[in-house]
Amino acid sequence: KAGVTQTPRYLIKTRGQQVTLSCSPISGHRSVSWYQQTPGQGLQFLFEYFSETQRNKGNFPGRFSGRQFSNSRSEMNVSTLELGDSALYLCASSLMGGNQPQHFGDGTRLSIL
Amino acid sequence: GENVEQHPSTLSVQEGDSAVIKCTYSDSASNYFPWYKQELGKRPQLIIDIRSNVGEKKDQRIAVTLNKTAKHFSLHITETQPEDSAVYFCAASLNTGTASKLTFGTGTRLQVTL
Repeated sequence: KAGVTQTPRYLIKTRGQQVTLSCSPISGHRSVSWYQQTPGQGLQFLFEYFSETQRNKGNFPGRFSGRQFSNSRSEMNVSTLELGDSALYLCASSLMGGNQPQHFGDGTRLSIL
Repeated sequence: GENVEQHPSTLSVQEGDSAVIKCTYSDSASNYFPWYKQELGKRPQLIIDIRSNVGEKKDQRIAVTLNKTAKHFSLHITETQPEDSAVYFCAASLNTGTASKLTFGTGTRLQVTL
Protein backbone atom coordinates (compact mmCIF):
# COMPACT_ATOMS: atom_id res chain seq x y z
CA LYS A 1 0.00 0.00 0.00
CA ALA A 2 1.43 3.38 -0.96
CA GLY A 3 2.25 5.74 1.86
CA VAL A 4 1.31 9.38 2.32
CA THR A 5 2.44 11.40 -0.69
CA GLN A 6 3.20 15.10 -0.52
CA THR A 7 3.95 17.39 -3.42
CA PRO A 8 6.02 19.29 -4.15
CA ARG A 9 8.99 18.24 -2.02
CA TYR A 10 10.65 21.64 -2.19
CA LEU A 11 9.37 25.15 -2.80
CA ILE A 12 11.04 28.53 -2.86
CA LYS A 13 8.85 31.59 -2.63
CA THR A 14 9.24 35.26 -1.82
CA ARG A 15 7.51 37.30 0.85
CA GLY A 16 3.96 38.24 0.01
CA GLN A 17 3.34 35.36 -2.35
CA GLN A 18 0.96 32.50 -1.68
CA VAL A 19 1.55 28.77 -1.90
CA THR A 20 -0.50 25.58 -2.14
CA LEU A 21 0.77 22.24 -0.88
CA SER A 22 -0.80 18.90 -1.68
CA CYS A 23 -1.22 15.69 0.30
CA SER A 24 -2.54 12.31 -0.82
CA PRO A 25 -3.32 10.07 2.16
CA ILE A 26 -2.86 6.33 2.41
CA SER A 27 -5.61 4.58 0.48
CA GLY A 28 -8.67 4.20 2.69
CA HIS A 29 -7.58 6.84 5.19
CA ARG A 30 -10.14 9.59 5.60
CA SER A 31 -8.47 11.85 8.13
CA VAL A 32 -5.69 14.19 7.07
CA SER A 33 -3.76 16.39 9.49
CA TRP A 34 -1.17 19.04 8.74
CA TYR A 35 1.82 19.98 10.89
CA GLN A 36 4.55 22.60 10.66
CA GLN A 37 8.07 21.57 11.70
CA THR A 38 10.74 24.17 12.47
CA PRO A 39 13.98 23.94 14.48
CA GLY A 40 12.73 26.54 16.92
CA GLN A 41 9.11 25.51 17.47
CA GLY A 42 9.28 21.80 16.72
CA LEU A 43 6.22 20.02 15.38
CA GLN A 44 3.06 22.10 15.62
CA PHE A 45 -0.46 21.10 14.65
CA LEU A 46 -2.11 23.20 11.94
CA PHE A 47 -5.46 21.53 11.25
CA GLU A 48 -7.25 18.27 10.56
CA TYR A 49 -9.75 17.40 7.87
CA PHE A 50 -12.22 14.55 7.73
CA SER A 51 -14.94 14.03 5.13
CA GLU A 52 -14.13 17.37 3.53
CA THR A 53 -14.68 19.22 6.83
CA GLN A 54 -12.15 20.89 9.09
CA ARG A 55 -12.53 19.12 12.41
CA ASN A 56 -9.81 20.70 14.45
CA LYS A 57 -7.54 23.71 14.18
CA GLY A 58 -4.27 24.76 15.80
CA ASN A 59 -3.08 28.22 16.79
CA PHE A 60 -2.02 29.58 13.43
CA PRO A 61 -3.18 32.81 11.76
CA GLY A 62 -5.93 32.84 9.17
CA ARG A 63 -3.30 33.01 6.40
CA PHE A 64 -3.05 29.26 6.83
CA SER A 65 -6.00 27.40 5.38
CA GLY A 66 -6.79 24.05 3.92
CA ARG A 67 -9.36 21.89 2.30
CA GLN A 68 -10.12 18.27 1.61
CA PHE A 69 -11.61 16.74 -1.47
CA SER A 70 -14.08 13.88 -1.80
CA ASN A 71 -11.22 11.43 -2.49
CA SER A 72 -9.64 12.48 0.86
CA ARG A 73 -6.75 14.31 -0.81
CA SER A 74 -5.99 17.53 0.97
CA GLU A 75 -4.41 20.85 0.13
CA MET A 76 -2.96 23.47 2.38
CA ASN A 77 -2.67 27.11 1.38
CA VAL A 78 -0.59 29.86 2.91
CA SER A 79 -1.24 33.42 1.75
CA THR A 80 0.88 36.53 2.14
CA LEU A 81 3.98 34.52 2.94
CA GLU A 82 6.34 35.73 5.67
CA LEU A 83 9.96 34.82 6.30
CA GLY A 84 8.84 32.95 9.42
CA ASP A 85 6.74 30.59 7.35
CA SER A 86 9.91 28.83 6.19
CA ALA A 87 9.48 25.30 7.49
CA LEU A 88 8.88 21.66 6.69
CA TYR A 89 5.15 21.10 6.26
CA LEU A 90 4.12 17.57 7.08
CA CYS A 91 0.90 15.82 6.31
CA ALA A 92 -0.30 12.79 8.25
CA SER A 93 -3.21 10.48 7.55
CA SER A 94 -5.18 8.04 9.66
CA LEU A 95 -8.19 5.84 9.05
CA MET A 96 -10.79 7.83 10.91
CA GLY A 97 -8.87 10.33 12.99
CA GLY A 98 -9.50 10.41 16.69
CA ASN A 99 -6.81 8.46 18.50
CA GLN A 100 -5.87 6.24 15.62
CA PRO A 101 -2.25 6.05 14.45
CA GLN A 102 -1.15 8.85 12.16
CA HIS A 103 1.32 8.17 9.38
CA PHE A 104 3.39 10.99 7.94
CA GLY A 105 4.46 11.91 4.45
CA ASP A 106 7.96 13.14 3.56
CA GLY A 107 6.84 16.75 3.79
CA THR A 108 7.21 19.85 1.69
CA ARG A 109 10.15 22.06 2.54
CA LEU A 110 9.11 25.66 2.02
CA SER A 111 11.75 28.38 1.90
CA ILE A 112 10.80 32.04 1.88
CA LEU A 113 13.29 34.54 0.47
CA GLY B 1 -4.34 23.40 25.80
CA GLU B 2 -2.12 20.36 26.07
CA ASN B 3 1.58 20.79 26.78
CA VAL B 4 4.15 18.02 26.40
CA GLU B 5 7.63 18.25 27.86
CA GLN B 6 10.37 15.86 26.75
CA HIS B 7 13.76 15.06 28.32
CA PRO B 8 16.60 14.83 27.66
CA SER B 9 17.11 16.91 24.52
CA THR B 10 20.20 14.90 23.61
CA LEU B 11 21.25 11.43 24.67
CA SER B 12 24.42 9.57 23.83
CA VAL B 13 24.74 5.86 24.61
CA GLN B 14 27.14 3.13 23.67
CA GLU B 15 25.99 0.37 21.37
CA GLY B 16 24.30 -2.36 23.37
CA ASP B 17 23.29 -0.06 26.23
CA SER B 18 19.73 0.99 27.00
CA ALA B 19 18.22 4.40 26.31
CA VAL B 20 15.31 6.02 28.14
CA ILE B 21 13.41 9.11 27.02
CA LYS B 22 10.81 10.69 29.28
CA CYS B 23 7.78 12.86 28.58
CA THR B 24 5.20 14.56 30.73
CA TYR B 25 1.84 15.90 29.65
CA SER B 26 -0.46 18.45 31.19
CA ASP B 27 -4.01 17.47 30.28
CA SER B 28 -5.39 14.48 32.15
CA ALA B 29 -7.93 13.98 29.32
CA SER B 30 -5.18 12.90 26.92
CA ASN B 31 -5.51 9.20 26.23
CA TYR B 32 -3.25 8.33 23.30
CA PHE B 33 0.54 8.58 23.32
CA PRO B 34 2.54 7.75 20.19
CA TRP B 35 6.29 7.86 19.70
CA TYR B 36 7.92 8.84 16.42
CA LYS B 37 11.44 8.36 15.13
CA GLN B 38 12.78 10.85 12.62
CA GLU B 39 16.03 10.23 10.84
CA LEU B 40 17.81 13.14 9.22
CA GLY B 41 15.89 14.36 6.18
CA LYS B 42 13.19 11.75 6.55
CA ARG B 43 9.57 11.59 7.66
CA PRO B 44 8.60 10.98 11.29
CA GLN B 45 7.94 7.25 11.58
CA LEU B 46 5.54 5.83 14.14
CA ILE B 47 7.47 3.27 16.18
CA ILE B 48 5.13 2.49 19.06
CA ASP B 49 2.04 3.90 20.74
CA ILE B 50 0.11 3.36 23.94
CA ARG B 51 -3.40 4.15 25.09
CA SER B 52 -4.43 5.27 28.54
CA ASN B 53 -6.05 1.95 29.44
CA VAL B 54 -2.66 0.21 29.20
CA GLY B 55 0.34 0.67 31.49
CA GLU B 56 3.04 -0.83 29.31
CA LYS B 57 3.55 -2.02 25.76
CA LYS B 58 6.50 -3.79 24.17
CA ASP B 59 7.62 -4.38 20.61
CA GLN B 60 10.92 -6.26 20.39
CA ARG B 61 13.61 -3.87 21.70
CA ILE B 62 11.22 -0.99 22.25
CA ALA B 63 8.86 -0.48 25.15
CA VAL B 64 6.68 2.35 26.37
CA THR B 65 5.35 2.85 29.89
CA LEU B 66 2.56 5.14 31.00
CA ASN B 67 1.83 6.53 34.44
CA LYS B 68 -1.54 8.28 34.26
CA THR B 69 -1.45 9.46 37.84
CA ALA B 70 1.83 11.27 37.36
CA LYS B 71 0.99 12.15 33.77
CA HIS B 72 4.21 10.89 32.30
CA PHE B 73 5.25 8.26 29.80
CA SER B 74 8.62 6.91 28.75
CA LEU B 75 10.28 5.20 25.80
CA HIS B 76 12.77 2.45 26.54
CA ILE B 77 15.13 1.11 23.88
CA THR B 78 17.22 -1.89 24.86
CA GLU B 79 20.34 -3.26 23.16
CA THR B 80 20.75 -0.07 21.17
CA GLN B 81 22.22 -0.24 17.68
CA PRO B 82 23.77 2.47 15.46
CA GLU B 83 20.61 2.51 13.33
CA ASP B 84 18.68 3.66 16.38
CA SER B 85 20.43 7.02 16.06
CA ALA B 86 17.73 9.58 15.24
CA VAL B 87 15.50 12.21 16.80
CA TYR B 88 12.65 10.76 18.82
CA PHE B 89 9.42 12.64 19.47
CA CYS B 90 6.75 11.83 22.00
CA ALA B 91 3.23 13.09 21.50
CA ALA B 92 -0.08 13.21 23.30
CA SER B 93 -3.53 13.31 21.85
CA LEU B 94 -6.18 15.32 23.61
CA ASN B 95 -9.44 13.47 23.73
CA THR B 96 -11.76 15.63 21.64
CA GLY B 97 -13.97 12.80 20.49
CA THR B 98 -13.25 12.07 16.88
CA ALA B 99 -10.87 14.92 16.10
CA SER B 100 -7.14 14.29 15.82
CA LYS B 101 -4.64 16.68 17.31
CA LEU B 102 -1.21 15.50 18.33
CA THR B 103 0.82 17.73 20.63
CA PHE B 104 4.50 16.90 20.32
CA GLY B 105 7.41 17.10 22.67
CA THR B 106 10.51 18.98 21.58
CA GLY B 107 12.42 15.87 20.58
CA THR B 108 15.41 13.88 21.82
CA ARG B 109 18.45 13.42 19.63
CA LEU B 110 19.75 9.91 20.34
CA GLN B 111 23.30 9.10 19.30
CA VAL B 112 24.41 5.48 19.54
CA THR B 113 28.18 5.22 19.47
CA LEU B 114 30.26 2.15 18.65
